Amino acid sequence: GDSVVQTEGQVLPSEGDSLIVNCSYETTQYPSLFWYVQYPGEGPQLHLKAMKANDKGRNKGFEAMYRKETTSFHLEKDSVQESDSAVYFCALSGSGGGYQKVTFGTGTKLQVIP
Amino acid sequence: EPEVTQTPSHQVTQMGQEVILRCVPISNHLYFYWYRQILGQKVEFLVSFYNNEISEKSEIFDDQFSVERPDGSNFTLKIRSTKLEDSAMYFCASNRRSSYNEQFFGPGTRLTVL
Repeated sequence: GDSVVQTEGQVLPSEGDSLIVNCSYETTQYPSLFWYVQYPGEGPQLHLKAMKANDKGRNKGFEAMYRKETTSFHLEKDSVQESDSAVYFCALSGSGGGYQKVTFGTGTKLQVIP
Repeated sequence: EPEVTQTPSHQVTQMGQEVILRCVPISNHLYFYWYRQILGQKVEFLVSFYNNEISEKSEIFDDQFSVERPDGSNFTLKIRSTKLEDSAMYFCASNRRSSYNEQFFGPGTRLTVL
């Protein structure tokens, strides 16, 4: 079945640091790729997305490139802020229309030190 | 902005009791889902629902679980005889027919089984 791997359970950058959160995936289909963000007490919210190879998802200074050759979708930001602190989930789903379940990674807790 | 709503926000029940978790998806959405998140773990797919029938279900979604759309707005998850290991956050999600399956999640119901 599909799987998404996030190698870092928690990252603790200081404000202004650059950030890379790793994500790799495995699937037999051509997936759409997502990063979801979850704040305490809330459900996951779509943060950014990429639908096909070499697409770059962007939102609030974060970027992620859909790399089919390396099956990766790493989340990057040049300069993190304290307000970015949250749990980030990498995820994939099928790219066909209609219902497609989302498969989530284990999540990376981003705690930005002010 | 339309959003997915869920009630109750927290449900406490005794082992063996039946619980019904309720969701109101976004009104023009056609596809509905339940996911669960055990504390500190990843979000896991339970079931998808379209056109008044289950489209796909995971191994977790056994005979103790059922879903229903009793009217034009509500979408429910029933657990017939709760077990301790059913304690988790349960998230409802919905989406329109689209090419990249952007799902919108509700805030979740925290289920505690004693």
